[in-house]
Amino acid sequence: ETGVTQTPRHLVMGMTNKKSLKCEQHLGHNAMYWYKQSAKKPLELMFVYSLEERVENNSVPSRFSPECPNSSHLFLHLHTLQPEDSALYLCASSPSVLGRGITFGSGTRLTVV
Amino acid sequence: DQQVKQNSPSLSVQEGRISILNCDYTNSMFDYFLWYKKYPAEGPTFLISISSIKDKNEDGRFTVFLNKSAKHLSLHIVPSQPGDSAVYFCAASAYGNQFYFGTGTSLTVIP
Repeated sequence: ETGVTQTPRHLVMGMTNKKSLKCEQHLGHNAMYWYKQSAKKPLELMFVYSLEERVENNSVPSRFSPECPNSSHLFLHLHTLQPEDSALYLCASSPSVLGRGITFGSGTRLTVV
Repeated sequence: DQQVKQNSPSLSVQEGRISILNCDYTNSMFDYFLWYKKYPAEGPTFLISISSIKDKNEDGRFTVFLNKSAKHLSLHIVPSQPGDSAVYFCAASAYGNQFYFGTGTSLTVIP
């Protein structure tokens, strides 16, 4: 596989559920990101990891918990979400945390019911 | 506060004509700009970039123009093709920091 792969593609979860989104990159990049794409809003940066260390957290609620076990994998753990958290969650990676050459995954369409 | 704005949510253009997508920004420290293209059910893919030392960058049918004094960026697609129908996002960053994205413009190229 090449590029940035996200699973699952679609997820429906209740507000009391716990689920995780998975991202894997096969590009040898050192930086990975989670973005949120809500309808009619700009793409929002949620988390930035550089060499498995979190370097940025843009005031994201604690019900979103990222995990980066190595430079190729990134998870977003979800618990007690709200309906307004329904959105497309995009993972991305780039050669360095400077962000140039950023490559996006196809995203996970999350619906919270 | 939205630092990158795409004020046109949608645009329709006849095949073969020019598509012009616009983007405005407020932060004068931005020094690097990108355009991304996004098809439904796919992640954004990189299209073209420009740094603030240039005012034009061309790649095939795609040209990006940068007007720093007006804080304005535009993407020209000529000739437009039906396969260009997608949502186009502009993004900007300052000195390698995080990218700020616009809300996107949905382009429809009519055959």
